[in-house]
Amino acid sequence: DTAVSQTPKYLVTQMGNDKSIKCEQNLGHDTMYWYKQDSKKFLKIMFSYNNKELIINETVPNRFSPKSPDKAHLNLHINSLELGDSAVYFCASSQSLAGGDTGELFFGEGSRLTVL
Amino acid sequence: QQQVKQSPQSLIVQKGGISIINCAYENTAFDYFPWYQQFPGKGPALLIAIRPDVSEKKEGRFTISFNKSAKQFSLHIMDSQPGDSATYFCAASMSYNTDKLIFGTGTRLQVFP
Repeated sequence: DTAVSQTPKYLVTQMGNDKSIKCEQNLGHDTMYWYKQDSKKFLKIMFSYNNKELIINETVPNRFSPKSPDKAHLNLHINSLELGDSAVYFCASSQSLAGGDTGELFFGEGSRLTVL
Repeated sequence: QQQVKQSPQSLIVQKGGISIINCAYENTAFDYFPWYQQFPGKGPALLIAIRPDVSEKKEGRFTISFNKSAKQFSLHIMDSQPGDSATYFCAASMSYNTDKLIFGTGTRLQVFP
């Protein structure tokens, strides 16, 4: 039973298209994230949601819009795709702990986006 | 000041050898230092983590060494095995902002039989 699942696993699309990636976690965590991993394997946080509320919004183009319908789901919609958007996008979740700490990150298996 | 510098970029080790990956940080407010392991086609997974109140933490063959004054920490993998072949990421965060981990650039480890 997959803890953090994201779909699709692979996405190939043309420049200018709009696409969405869905993420669901069954761990009961209250915080979810989107990370981007580029071709050099560099991992960078994009967004963080806590109980459906946006907490972190890094310098990400407005073409990227996260949506959290409930605390178990965090979707990522990308408008007007560009070549530079090609990357692996990881969804992750964690549980807030006492004292403001955050527990370990649990990552999904990633969604590889290729923009042609 | 938010960066975490990681080296080497890649590492080749013989089976049974010791793998050492180093990380350095600038921000003295960082106080949580995890290591994540990522296998090809998978997401990163927490391997081991340390807080600056201790200088070393060991879990099985994996040890984190932490040098607060030098602002450096390292991962040692003893008796490296081919199954350890993966990309390793160090990371750091501040306890008042632990939602935001800053990852190092990753080290690709290959262990040959």
